[in-house]
Amino acid sequence: AQSVTQLGSHVSVSEGALVLLRCNYSSSVPPYLFWYVQYPNQGLQLLLKYTSAATLVKGINGFEAEFKKSETSFHLTKPSAHMSDAAEYFCAVSYPTGANSKLTFGKGITLSVRP
Amino acid sequence: KAGVTQTPRYLIKTRGQQVTLSCSPISGHRSVSWYQQTPGQGLQFLFEYFSETQRNKGNFPGRFSGRQFSNSRSEMNVSTLELGDSALYLCASSLGGQGSGEQFFGPGTRLTVL
Repeated sequence: AQSVTQLGSHVSVSEGALVLLRCNYSSSVPPYLFWYVQYPNQGLQLLLKYTSAATLVKGINGFEAEFKKSETSFHLTKPSAHMSDAAEYFCAVSYPTGANSKLTFGKGITLSVRP
Repeated sequence: KAGVTQTPRYLIKTRGQQVTLSCSPISGHRSVSWYQQTPGQGLQFLFEYFSETQRNKGNFPGRFSGRQFSNSRSEMNVSTLELGDSALYLCASSLGGQGSGEQFFGPGTRLTVL
């Protein structure tokens, strides 16, 4: 079975500081991995995805993530936080094989950005 | 290209009633998945429909059901509502090919059960 662990429920950074949101996964087969962002009263927006190509993935809004198989991790980073980055972030995993689009999500991390 | 749309955006129902939520996927997408989001349980997969057939199902009681029409639009129905069904219900669409994974989400329907 696949699962996702996002340590901590809340991260607070100063504007301009590094953003690091952690995600570890468990999967019996090499997974597809995703980061989604959710702003208040909205749905989920895809930030980036890993689908077995390059291990360093660049996404929208300056975010990137690195797939590390040995650590079963897919941490999300951004060099310099902006006030508009304040939102909830979800890491998700899916199986790359079979007719199966099911996403399994982590609990989510709320990012606050201090002026 | 228009995104995923969900109607209605907000619903208030009372216990014991039933409710139907609607989702229109991105044009050309054949797979529609439904998720329930609550503060306590987070995002949980309900089911997925592809070409009018349920292809995958989560661990929810039979009160939760869905269907998909020939134009890929999908509806989700919850019967005999309980207080615990209060949640944000998200619909997501994808092309639906093998292991495609990437899903595009609608804004959600906020259901409140009183």
